[in-house]
Amino acid sequence: AQRVTQPEKLLSVFKGAPVELKCNYSYSGSPELFWYVQYSRQRLQLLLRHISRESIKGFTADLNKGETSFHLKKPFAQEEDSAMYYCALTQGGSEKLVFGKGTKLTVNP
Amino acid sequence: NAGVMQNPRHLVRRRGQEARLRCSPMKGHSHVYWYRQLPEEGLKFMVYLQKENIIDESGMPKERFSAEFPKEGPSILRIQQVVRGDSAAYFCASSPSSRSNEQFFGPGTRLTVL
Repeated sequence: AQRVTQPEKLLSVFKGAPVELKCNYSYSGSPELFWYVQYSRQRLQLLLRHISRESIKGFTADLNKGETSFHLKKPFAQEEDSAMYYCALTQGGSEKLVFGKGTKLTVNP
Repeated sequence: NAGVMQNPRHLVRRRGQEARLRCSPMKGHSHVYWYRQLPEEGLKFMVYLQKENIIDESGMPKERFSAEFPKEGPSILRIQQVVRGDSAAYFCASSPSSRSNEQFFGPGTRLTVL
């Protein structure tokens, strides 16, 4: 069965420090991977997807098929990055998103 | 574009009552998805609909739950004879086509069953 694992429920860093939010998945085919973010009192929104290979708000994520990982990274965290982050995948041919449980990131001043 | 609208935002029901959750997709979007988030859990897919059609209902509980997306009006997620375990946040998302893969989420409806 498809599964997305985010091992850290909570992650706290100081402003300016590097941050890495971990995401591992189990899926036998070729999934498409996403990171969604939910800022306080806002709705869930797409942050980035692996096929775009782009950097959004300083965040990047590389799909590592060997390690089945899609970790989210940012070299210098900002206070406004504090939010809930969800890793998700879609399975080939299907539109449904499979989400991890989320990681709450807190960036301290 | 106001984005995906969901109402009500909060809904309280007693055990055995019915809950109706509404979702209006973004303008121009004809694909709707419903997800449920239990406390301390991630969002779990329930159902995917296009206008007047259920495309994938593999995440829907076998009993008491139904969904529709009529030709006119919002998509409705209906839960009959609610139980305490139905208490959760229910999110709707929409996309303009099945190929876009980006789903735009609504603010959610928080259902509390007393």
